[in-house]
Amino acid sequence: AQKITQTQPGMFVQEKEAVTLDCTYDTSDQSYGLFWYKQPSSGEMIFLIYQGSYDEQNATEGRYSLNFQKARKSANLVISASQLGDSAMYFCAMREDTGANSKLTFGKGITLSVRP
Amino acid sequence: GAGVSQSPRYKVAKRGQDVALRCDPISGHVSLFWYQQALGQGPEFLTYFQNEAQLDKSGLPSDRFFAERPEGSVSTLKIQRTQQEDSAVYLCASSFGTGVLINQPQHFGDGTRLSIL
Repeated sequence: AQKITQTQPGMFVQEKEAVTLDCTYDTSDQSYGLFWYKQPSSGEMIFLIYQGSYDEQNATEGRYSLNFQKARKSANLVISASQLGDSAMYFCAMREDTGANSKLTFGKGITLSVRP
Repeated sequence: GAGVSQSPRYKVAKRGQDVALRCDPISGHVSLFWYQQALGQGPEFLTYFQNEAQLDKSGLPSDRFFAERPEGSVSTLKIQRTQQEDSAVYLCASSFGTGVLINQPQHFGDGTRLSIL
């Protein structure tokens, strides 16, 4: 079964508007972490934001916030005031609390294009 | 530099050749990961090191793939007798902790784009 699901087709947003990128996940663990990464066309993976399964507040980092709905197993990324430089692939990833190996399991990603 | 450094940036090899990909993690980072990213897909885990110890190699697709980190810093991913399906971007990531704390972000390099002809 897919652990991270990102099903949106390419997303488009007008500059300065907000956009939500969807992510649902599947785990039987009670303790886990959710991450969002940005991958521009140049290829590097840039860490954006983290949400822990026990965190009561939704995570925020500057223009990025995470809409975490634990019962629905969703962790959607909200980007406010979009900028042209936000155009990139966005990946949702999960780390399950399995001890020493903290590998990330990624979704297939969503392409975001910001229009001027 | 301050980030994870990978070399070469691009590698083209003929089918059957051996290749070696290098990763220089952020100084002081204990954990090091290798991922494989096929075109249009998310990265997939290959192997994990804690210092020089390879604690998990469950993601390596075949025994043609071999990774090492002999002194607990630089790591090399080696692919023997390359095949066309090995064509992908190989990403290296490092993190400060041992991995017990799940909130530790992994910091990625720019990747090596491997093309097998």
